[in-house]
Amino acid sequence: GAVVSQHPSRVICKSGTSVKIECRSLDFQATTMFWYRQFPKQSLMLMATSNEGSKATYEQGVEKDKFLINHASLTLSTLTVTSAHPEDSSFYICSAPEGGLVRAFFGQGTRLTVV
Amino acid sequence: AQTVTQSQPEMSVQEAETVTLSCTYDTSESDYYLFWYKQPPSRQMILVIRQEAYKQQNATENRFSVNFQKAAKSFSLKISDSQLGDAAMYFCAYRTSLTQGGSEKLVFGKGTKLTVNP
Repeated sequence: GAVVSQHPSRVICKSGTSVKIECRSLDFQATTMFWYRQFPKQSLMLMATSNEGSKATYEQGVEKDKFLINHASLTLSTLTVTSAHPEDSSFYICSAPEGGLVRAFFGQGTRLTVV
Repeated sequence: AQTVTQSQPEMSVQEAETVTLSCTYDTSESDYYLFWYKQPPSRQMILVIRQEAYKQQNATENRFSVNFQKAAKSFSLKISDSQLGDAAMYFCAYRTSLTQGGSEKLVFGKGTKLTVNP
């Protein structure tokens, strides 16, 4: 079946630095990818929709300049957390749909800790 | 806007027994998709089962089945012959249509933590 690979699985960074998270669709092309944030014991909150070759669509309340999304190819989307602060610490998950959102595949997630 | 409600934060079941997880949703659309996703301790989201709203027949996948009540906007998940590996967070999700802001999205409920007791 289709697989989505997310890297890194864990990252610790210092406050003020930037962190890049990659999301790859391994055996299918994804013109759209989704980025979610999940706080402990809570649900997935959609942050933005990544569109290949065009600008990402951000959900209300998500800072575009802090969470930079690039979807440079049909198999790769990246989320860069810029000038990270401890409150950005969270679990970030990407997802890529195959055949529309009828079937969505999720990455393994990235646990970001900002110290 | 569509909302998904899971009223059971936690549930437990004995191994080999049956458990039902509840989900209700709110929408004005007539055609849509509903999903149950499983998130085990590894945090990897796994699709458990999918239901198309225009299909009256309830979806089944091996030990997993749903009770889809469209008029009541209810979408419960039944797990039969529960196994230890079924222990996880279960999220109910609704797929919005393309007409909503130009992009399909998944709206998730808050989740139900299922514990399977040996």
